[in-house]
Amino acid sequence: KAGVTQTPRYLIKTRGQQVTLSCSPISGHRSVSWYQQTPGQGLQFLFEYFSETQRNKGNFPGRFSGRQFSNSRSEMNVSTLELGDSALYLCASSPGTPGYEQYFGPGTRLTVT
Amino acid sequence: DQQVKQNSPSLSVQEGRISILNCDYTNSMFDYFLWYKKYPAEGPTFLISISSIKDKNEDGRFTVFLNKSAKHLSLHIVPSQPGDSAVYFCAASVSGSARQLTFGSGTQLTVLP
Repeated sequence: KAGVTQTPRYLIKTRGQQVTLSCSPISGHRSVSWYQQTPGQGLQFLFEYFSETQRNKGNFPGRFSGRQFSNSRSEMNVSTLELGDSALYLCASSPGTPGYEQYFGPGTRLTVT
Repeated sequence: DQQVKQNSPSLSVQEGRISILNCDYTNSMFDYFLWYKKYPAEGPTFLISISSIKDKNEDGRFTVFLNKSAKHLSLHIVPSQPGDSAVYFCAASVSGSARQLTFGSGTQLTVLP
C-alpha cells in the first residue's frame, strides 16, 4: 500500500497570508490527524478527522482549521500566518478501528517570513 | 505541563549492545503507548506499541516494557545497529473514539560502529 502523502513538501509564505496543506491517507484509513512540530514545543496535536467530522481538537487558535473529504483526504488551513507558525506540519492516518497506531506522512515544512 | 516526558535528550551506544530508551508519563488515563523513530526531514515511523493490559510487547529487535505503577515505559533495542541512529519519540493515548497522541520530547540515539 502507498503511504501517507502530503503536498506540498516545502512552502514559504509571508506574515498575514493564508496557507492550505493537503494530506492523502493510506488507502482504507478513515482517520486523519494533524500535528505541528517545532523545536520549542515538539510534536503537538492539532486535530483529528474521521468520516468528514472533526472528532478532537488540540489547543491551537481558531486560525488553524481543517476538513476531510468523502475520500478521506484532508486539508489543513492556517489563516493570517504568524512567524511562529513556521513548523513541520505532519499528517497521520489510522484505520479508525481499535488500535491506535498512526502512520505519518513526510510532512510539509512551512516557513513564514 | 508535560504529560509525557523523555528526560534523556541523547543516548550513545556501541553497535551490538543494548539501547534502552526511557519514557515517563503523568496522566493515569493513558492506556495505550507507542514508540516512533524519526529521521531528519521525514515523518515519524511507527515502531511498536503496547496496551496498558500488558507489561511487555516484543517485535524482533524491539521490546517495549510498561510499568503502570511507576508510570514508566522503556524501549529496548537488541542488538543496536548504526541504522537505528535516529530520534525516538514515545507517545501516549487515551482509548476512545479520538486518535490524539501526546508525544514526549524525543531522545536522539546514536549507535557507534
